[in-house]
Amino acid sequence: AQKITQTQPGMFVQEKEAVTLDCTYDTSDQSYGLFWYKQPSSGEMIFLIYQGSYDEQNATEGRYSLNFQKARKSANLVISASQLGDSAMYFCAMRDFDSNYQLIWGAGTKLIIKP
Amino acid sequence: DSGVTQTPKHLITATGQRVTLRCSPRSGDLSVYWYQQSLDQGLQFLIQYYNGEERAKGNILERFSAQQFPDLHSELNLSSLELGDSALYFCASSETGVSQPQHFGDGTRLSIL
Repeated sequence: AQKITQTQPGMFVQEKEAVTLDCTYDTSDQSYGLFWYKQPSSGEMIFLIYQGSYDEQNATEGRYSLNFQKARKSANLVISASQLGDSAMYFCAMRDFDSNYQLIWGAGTKLIIKP
Repeated sequence: DSGVTQTPKHLITATGQRVTLRCSPRSGDLSVYWYQQSLDQGLQFLIQYYNGEERAKGNILERFSAQQFPDLHSELNLSSLELGDSALYFCASSETGVSQPQHFGDGTRLSIL
C-alpha cells in the first residue's frame, strides 16, 4: 500500500538558515508524482512544488527545491534562506499514476522560524 | 488566491442539524475534491468528482454526501451532525492530468455546539 512518512513532527530553525523537511514514500508503482503543500496558521493550503518520478532534474520553485532520491524513495523539501513567513505546517503528498488518482498525504511537519 | 471559492467561511450549528458547504472550482478545472481536517490533524480525503461524476470515495461517512453540478460547482452535505464533525472542510480542484496539483480553497470551518 502507498504510504507517506514525515518523520519530523516539529522543527525550530533560525531565520535565514536553510531548512530540510523530510519525506519518504512507499509505492510499488514506477510512475508517480510528489507534491508539497504549506499550511500557515491562517489555515489555507498552498501548493509549493511538484516532482515527477521520471523527472531527471530536481524540481525548484524560487526558494523551494526538492532533494529527490528515487532509490531511497525520499523527496525532501529544502527551503533556502528561511523567513519568518515560512512558519507553517508542511505536508508531503504522493499520487501513483498507474493505480490511483488520489493523493496520499503525510502527517505533516510543523516548522517554526525563530527571529 | 488559488481561484477556488468556498462558502461559507465559518459555520456554527448544533448537533443533529444538516449543513451544506459549497465550492466553486478554478475556471477550467473538471475535478473537485473534498477533504476534512480535524484540529491539528492531517487531511482526510472524503470524495472526488470529475465532470459531474463521482470518481473516488475516501473516508466519507454515510451521513455525508456530495455532488457536482453541470456548472462544475460542488456541494458537500453533512447531516445528523455530531460534535466530532467539527473540522475544517476543504475543497480542491485540479486540471485533468495526473501530474496536476490540487489547488485548495480557503476552507469552511465548521463548529458543532
